[in-house]
Amino acid sequence: NAGVTQTPKFQVLKTGQSMTLQCAQDMNHEYMSWYRQDPGMGLRLIHYSVGAGITDQGEVPNGYNVSRSTTEDFPLRLLSAAPSQTSVYFCASSYGLGTDTQYFGPGTRLTVL
Amino acid sequence: AQTVTQSQPEMSVQEAETVTLSCTYDTSENNYYLFWYKQPPSRQMILVIRQEAYKQQNATENRFSVNFQKAAKSFSLKISDSQLGDTAMYFCAFMNYGGSQGNLIFGKGTKLSVKP
Repeated sequence: NAGVTQTPKFQVLKTGQSMTLQCAQDMNHEYMSWYRQDPGMGLRLIHYSVGAGITDQGEVPNGYNVSRSTTEDFPLRLLSAAPSQTSVYFCASSYGLGTDTQYFGPGTRLTVL
Repeated sequence: AQTVTQSQPEMSVQEAETVTLSCTYDTSENNYYLFWYKQPPSRQMILVIRQEAYKQQNATENRFSVNFQKAAKSFSLKISDSQLGDTAMYFCAFMNYGGSQGNLIFGKGTKLSVKP
């Protein structure tokens, strides 16, 4: 198993550009989520999904979109990048919501100029 | 809303010694999980240890153990025989059991440096 994979590892954007951060898992996990990590803030939940076709907002959803068309993939879309979205982004997955340990991908470091 | 507090932004320990990282949390729920995650300079989030709130026995994983005090809402991590590879950020995290509130809530982290 590759576990949770994320691409790209690093990305630099200009203000106003859009992009998609990719996340995939091969463990047949139903639950997937996106977190952002800012200095001194710990990890904060952006969006999550409890299965294909089902998504919900977390603590800091503004400026981000998600969809879940398959069990394996959970992409995060930045619609119009802003410098405030400069952060490290982590994807995580588990068998269920609130019933199992979450496993994290390696992260994507995003810089918005 | 649940909150997780790590009151020690930075700590250091000599190699081979023991160190304890503190974590407190606030919740009105009775069933939940607590975790410690390690984040080395590689940035990968690695699960160190997990505790189910309904279990009275403290979890242990090799050199890592916890002191779980449910009434005090305290969940500290003890690292014995510290090694240079233990140098990392350590995050305490809380998760409600089941339901729509079962996402992870993280503390702000403790930066641990192990000195030779």
